[in-house]
Order: sequence, then structure tokens, then C-alpha cells
Amino acid sequence: QPVLTQPPSSFASPGDSARLTCTLPSDISVDKYNIYWYQQKSGSPPRYLLYYYSDSDKGRGSGVPSRFSGSKDASANTGILLISGLQSEDEADYYCMIWPSNAFGGGTKLTVL
Amino acid sequence: EVQLVESGGGLIQPGGSLRLSCAASGFTFINHAMAWVRQAPGKGLEWVSTISTTGHNTFYAESVKGRFTISRDNSKNTLFLQMSSQRVEDTARYYCAKGDSFDWWGQGTLVTVSS
Repeated sequence: QPVLTQPPSSFASPGDSARLTCTLPSDISVDKYNIYWYQQKSGSPPRYLLYYYSDSDKGRGSGVPSRFSGSKDASANTGILLISGLQSEDEADYYCMIWPSNAFGGGTKLTVL
Repeated sequence: EVQLVESGGGLIQPGGSLRLSCAASGFTFINHAMAWVRQAPGKGLEWVSTISTTGHNTFYAESVKGRFTISRDNSKNTLFLQMSSQRVEDTARYYCAKGDSFDWWGQGTLVTVSS
């Protein structure tokens, strides 16, 4: 059972925004961790998208468009991946991870309808 | 450009051993921790092991501790994973990943444990 909780599926339309969540267990605080996000398209290896710790400590991977951004909701103990201006090519599985435990979430399958 | 190329996967019987390799290029290998992450068919990602830049520090998931050994040869820019006492549940595609943030991934090599 993954340590981090992600909804198994999410649906959105082209041009819309998608907000994918990654909830940490109640005994660890999202405020203390870098949240990493990865994208995996069907038949391909995962691709590093970004990490988010705070607004002053964050970064995107090489070639990752600025449409992808991260944030946190401390009240929900949750990390968030926001994808704006959705494109059909954004349809993929998205995984979150925290370091140093290297625990992954179970992944969210994003469908762009 | 960064390249990670895994090899060594295949079909193996339960209880057997296998050694995976990952040839790295396009970056200064010795400056980065390296890791193995696996993905069972149709399932999510599972971190397996990480090794420090010098190889002196290694870390393992509980599911493989005592059975798998990670190592590296910095003179050859190569990462290894020695897998022994393999179980059916070790069946997965094994990816080599760069750094603590896994900011680059190889294509993976498939390991099938079956009798």
C-alpha cells in the first residue's frame, strides 16, 4: 500500500486546468518535504516534471513547460500538481514522491477528453 | 544529453540470481547518487535502492533488503543491481534513475521471476 495517497483517476478537457493531489499520512507534515512529480505516458519510462517545497524553493525538469507547476495545501497535508492549458499529450499517469523516504504515491491516471 | 541504458534482465526461476547493469553517459556520473526503481506489470512505481556518489552509502527498500545489492563503478560510469533469492513478486521492469530526485530515467529492463 503506497504511503502517499493519490486519486486513481482524473478527467479534464483540453484547455482546462487539472489539479492532481498527493496526500501524506497524518503523522508526517507536508511542510517538511520536497514533493516530486513524475509523468509516465503509456509504454514509456517516467519523466521527471518538478519538485516543490515552497514558493522560494522549487524547480522544473529539463524541457518541462511552465504549464506544469507545484504547490502545497498544508491544511489538507497535500502536495498539488497543477497543469494549465491541458493538451491531449498531457494524458498520462502522474506519480508523486517524497524524499528521503523515496515513497511513491499510487499514481493518478489523467484522461484528457 | 543524459543517457541511462539498462541491461541484464530476463526470465529467472524463483530463488535464482540476476545482475542488472546501467550504463550512464552525458553527465558527470561520479557527482550524482544513483537509484533503481521498479514497476510491476500494470502497477505503480516502487523505489528499490539508492547508492551515494562514492558508493560508501547504500539504502534499500524493506522488500529487497538482504537480497539485493546495489553498487557502482565510477571508472566505467556504470550502476549495478545484484539480485538474489528472487521471488515471483520481484517481477517488474527495473529502471535506473539519476540523482536523489530521479531527474532522469532509463528505458528499463524487464525481469520475470517464474517457474
